[in-house]
Amino acid sequence: LAKTTQPISMDSYEGQEVNITCSHNNIATNDYITWYQQFPSQGPRFIIQGYKTKVTNEVASLFIPADRKSSTLSLPRVSLSDTAVYYCLVGDAYNAGNMLTFGGGTRLMVKP
Amino acid sequence: GAVVSQHPSWVICKSGTSVKIECRSLDFQATTMFWYRQFPKQSLMLMATSNEGSKATYEQGVEKDKFLINHASLTLSTLTVTSAHPEDSSFYICSARGTGRNTIYFGEGSWLTVV
Repeated sequence: LAKTTQPISMDSYEGQEVNITCSHNNIATNDYITWYQQFPSQGPRFIIQGYKTKVTNEVASLFIPADRKSSTLSLPRVSLSDTAVYYCLVGDAYNAGNMLTFGGGTRLMVKP
Repeated sequence: GAVVSQHPSWVICKSGTSVKIECRSLDFQATTMFWYRQFPKQSLMLMATSNEGSKATYEQGVEKDKFLINHASLTLSTLTVTSAHPEDSSFYICSARGTGRNTIYFGEGSWLTVV
């Protein structure tokens, strides 16, 4: 199983760019990398998904180096409402498996 | 985007009774749904995988007779906590994967409090 490792917590200030890195050294060829955001008492919300290089959408960017053993979620100009727990999941959803295993996540605190 | 809805959002039940939580995929057919539980300040723990028209697959340590899962249609899975006890109090979350999709979407979660 592709285990993921993320920092337990991070602090930032409003308006700053936040980069959260996830290590997944034994990622498999068919595995995708997906990031979710979770607020207290809510289900995880899909942020972004990628396989290699860079992916960008309206809320975040995902950087994946060539070896795919890590990935970085980049949140531009965070606001207080971005305070949440961010989870990195690695796996092939078509075959279920380790895509379903959540690591500890990164607790992001955005300060004014 | 894909939407997965859970009901109820909050439920309080007496010890010894059973409670049912529904998970619906609103804009896609979900061949597979997943059930998680989450304790405060902890990560999500997968309980079981629910496949439409077949028996659920439970993770090690999860009692299948206590947590009954039914996935009778492509848009609905239910989790029934039978003979609930206070230690079953938790946040239960479902997720769903649509046909041909490589992304899993989550419901809003359901808080269960057993008194």
